[in-house]
Amino acid sequence: GESVGLHLPTLSVQEGDNSIINCAYSNSASDYFIWYKQESGKGPQFIIDIRSNMDKRQGQRVTVLLNKTVKHLSLQIAATQPGDSAVYFCAENVGNQFYFGTGTSLTVIP
Amino acid sequence: GAVVSQHPSRVICKSGTSVKIECRSLDFQATTMFWYRQFPKQSLMLMATSNEGSKATYEQGVEKDKFLINHASLTLSTLTVTSAHPEDSSFYICSAGGLPSGGYTFGSGTRLTVV
Repeated sequence: GESVGLHLPTLSVQEGDNSIINCAYSNSASDYFIWYKQESGKGPQFIIDIRSNMDKRQGQRVTVLLNKTVKHLSLQIAATQPGDSAVYFCAENVGNQFYFGTGTSLTVIP
Repeated sequence: GAVVSQHPSRVICKSGTSVKIECRSLDFQATTMFWYRQFPKQSLMLMATSNEGSKATYEQGVEKDKFLINHASLTLSTLTVTSAHPEDSSFYICSAGGLPSGGYTFGSGTRLTVV
């Protein structure tokens, strides 16, 4: 399958601080990316997506940045809250299938 | 909208038996569904792509005779783990299209434990 990896396997942040989770992908032909949040024992939940014709997309407290030159994706969470503690995955769309990165475990310290 | 229901959420079975997992799209028609497997503290690994009315496409290394996938209708796909062994114990997750942006919605997952 495709190679989609994350730079940091774990991340701890203080409540109220901003979080940045990074992802590197390998297929330059990928045209669609999604960030998912997965809480323990549950299926992944859609957070935000971005298409390759965009560099940045903002949602509620979250922003995704795409750098196609270096094949890098990041998820920024503003004012991180305890409920944001979870594992975050980036997913790369290749041929109408999604391949996931290794995941980053985010822990929010109260 | 775009809700995917997966059952059962947990199942314990004896080694050598078969287990069926169901994935249903509740409010949309899913011509394509995906099955993933996830080991503890690891990422989701795509097992197969299930297309309604046709044979599933399996990823390299996934045994099609062991993991039987059926997608007989636009709202239901099933994964049957045949002759299960302890090493098949894992978290299995399905997903289907349905998000307005083109993304996919995931089921809540099935925790399979083979004893």
